[in-house]
Amino acid sequence: DIVMTQSPLSLSVTPGEPASISCRSSQSLLHSIGYNFLDWYLQKPGQSPQLLIYLGSNRASGVPDRFSVSGSGTDFTLKISRVEAEDVGIYYCMQALQTPFTFGRGTKLEIK
Amino acid sequence: EVQLVQSGTEVKKPGESLKISCQASGYNFTKFWIAWVRQMPGKGLEWMGIKHPDDPDIRYNPSLQGHVTISVDKSISTAYLQWSSLRASDTAMYYCARLPYDFVWGSYRPSGFDSWGQGTLVTVSS
Repeated sequence: DIVMTQSPLSLSVTPGEPASISCRSSQSLLHSIGYNFLDWYLQKPGQSPQLLIYLGSNRASGVPDRFSVSGSGTDFTLKISRVEAEDVGIYYCMQALQTPFTFGRGTKLEIK
Repeated sequence: EVQLVQSGTEVKKPGESLKISCQASGYNFTKFWIAWVRQMPGKGLEWMGIKHPDDPDIRYNPSLQGHVTISVDKSISTAYLQWSSLRASDTAMYYCARLPYDFVWGSYRPSGFDSWGQGTLVTVSS
């Protein structure tokens, strides 16, 4: 199985400040067709997960452009340019290159 | 509007059987993969398996070791997750999720789980 490693496990950010979450995979997620098979999800408190980013760097419908992803292959970083109160929750990266799909352990974002 | 509506909370005893459901609406059920994801109390997300409604093949997480069965009924746009003999360790929230995809240069390209059910809480306790 592909192992997904996220860091940090938690972070506390002042509104308006940036935040970054790292996700590393145990093998490259870059498919031969040129896409990284990596997705990001946010699970807000008490809610189902929601899709933020798919295929490495594509924002899902309705996701604000303050969310972006950099990286390719095995190292990825989710960046929030200016954190807002609504961004609190647990962020997960997930590889969809091969089954079983695997998630990182999650990063909990809190507001200071 | 795309919706995945899951069946309600279940409280069961070890050894009992259970089948939970996920009814899809607002889209063509046969054009998307559907998956199940487990979240044990206070823990992260775990992919359990995935099925395409038009394909007999089902991909399971080997960690489940045949403990669960995924099925679909296309006639009512519903996916199911079932157990023949529950264990206390099956206590968790279970989510279904839709996976869109297309083909690029002959290769399958998934586009993220873009719609999720509200979750079904299963508690197994003697």
